[in-house]
Amino acid sequence: DAGVTQSPTHLIKTRGQHVTLRCSPISGHKSVSWYQQVLGQGPQFIFQYYEKEERGRGNFPDRFSARQFPNYSSELNVNALLLGDSALYLCASSGFRDRGDTGELFFGEGSRLTVL
Amino acid sequence: AQSVTQLDSQVPVFEEAPVELRCNYSSSVSVYLFWYVQYPNQGLQLLLKYLSGSTLVKGINGFEAEFNKSQTSFHLRKPSVHISDTAEYFCAVSEVGGFKTIFGAGTRLFVKA
Repeated sequence: DAGVTQSPTHLIKTRGQHVTLRCSPISGHKSVSWYQQVLGQGPQFIFQYYEKEERGRGNFPDRFSARQFPNYSSELNVNALLLGDSALYLCASSGFRDRGDTGELFFGEGSRLTVL
Repeated sequence: AQSVTQLDSQVPVFEEAPVELRCNYSSSVSVYLFWYVQYPNQGLQLLLKYLSGSTLVKGINGFEAEFNKSQTSFHLRKPSVHISDTAEYFCAVSEVGGFKTIFGAGTRLFVKA
């Protein structure tokens, strides 16, 4: 079975632009989470979606938005990019939160965003 | 709210020596505990997890961790490391029934020949 897939793997943008990152979860997983990992730091929680609804949001500005589609894939959008948005953006899928899911996350390899 | 503190940012160690990576957490509710490993230019991979039961948890690649509730710690250990264990290790906590996982800042394990 395929793992979590993310696209694009690398991209370069300039300040003020907008970016869309995409994620396909492991087959059967209905929950997708997004994390931002700045160089030298641990991943920071941005969003979690379950069954197409936002279940939680981290401490990120409204420039960050996401959505989940009927096939459980997800998009992360970032508007008005700042230099500080340069990071590795990780998508993770997991099982059923409402059915004793243990919270184990299965990560993709990430999308590395560089903002110039 | 939960928080995770990894007490060492870098741990250099010689090949075949034992290693311990330290992690303390803080939470007012029941949590699950995890260790993830990240190799260069890759995503994170689960090493092991503590859900309940035995406080000694065994994971992949010969790693194990011990949950200590009184000291709110979840230290990761390996009795004999290999060059291939060189990576970044993250301790993480997830509230039972919650929606997010909180990660520590990471410990870079560097195994020297």
